[in-house]
Amino acid sequence: DAGITQSPRHKVTETGTPVTLRCHQTENHRYMYWYRQDPGHGLRLIHYSYGVKDTDKGEVSDGYSVSRSKTEDFLLTLESATSSQTSVYFCAIQKVKTSSTDTQYFGPGTRLTVL
Amino acid sequence: AQSVTQLDSHVSVSEGTPVLLRCNYSSSYSPSLFWYVQHPNKGLQLLLKYTSAATLVKGINGFEAEFKKSETSFHLTKPSAHMSDAAEYFCVTSVDSSYKLIFGSGTRLLVRP
Repeated sequence: DAGITQSPRHKVTETGTPVTLRCHQTENHRYMYWYRQDPGHGLRLIHYSYGVKDTDKGEVSDGYSVSRSKTEDFLLTLESATSSQTSVYFCAIQKVKTSSTDTQYFGPGTRLTVL
Repeated sequence: AQSVTQLDSHVSVSEGTPVLLRCNYSSSYSPSLFWYVQHPNKGLQLLLKYTSAATLVKGINGFEAEFKKSETSFHLTKPSAHMSDAAEYFCVTSVDSSYKLIFGSGTRLLVRP
C-alpha cells in the first residue's frame, strides 16, 4: 500500500462540462503520474509531475491539464469533457530508491463516463 | 523508441497446468522491465521487476520471468495455475530518467476449473 487515494471513484458527467479528478498521496513522493486505461490499449500516460509546479505532457495529453500546488496532491482536469474521454483513470507515484530498479505504485482508479 | 509487445491478448489454461504469458521488448539499451497484474475491477499490482542483477526474476504468487537479451523477450511463467490467477497481465517498460511507463496492451488470463 503506497498511501494513494483517488477521488471521486466514479463519476458520470455530460459532454462539455469541466471535470477535475484528484490524486492524493501520503508519503511525499516527488514523481506522480496520470494514466488512462482503455480496452486494447493497456495504460497510457496523460501527464506527469516531477515536483511541485513541475509537470510535463505524456502520450495522450490533448484535452487534459494538470496542476500540482502541493507535494501530496496531483489534479487532472478535463476542461470540456468529451465522450472519447470516457475511461478509467489511474494515478501513480514513483518510489525512488538508491539501489535496484525503481517501482511505480497505482491508486485504485476513477471510472469516468461522459454522456 | 522503447516499447513492449504482448503476443497474446487472451490465454486460457486449466487449473494446475503451467502458465506462459509472452512479452517482447524493443530497446536500444538494457531496459527496465516489469509485469503488473490487474484483477477485475481492481487497481494494478506489481508482480515482479527486472533489475539487471539476474536474468531470472522471481515475483509474488509463484510467478517468475526470464530476461533473454538474444530473443528480446521477458516472458512470464508459473508452474501451476490457480483459479485466483485469472486476471489481466501487463508487460511494462520504463522510459528515461522520469520513470515514465510504457504498457503493453495486456493479456487476459482465463483459468478453467
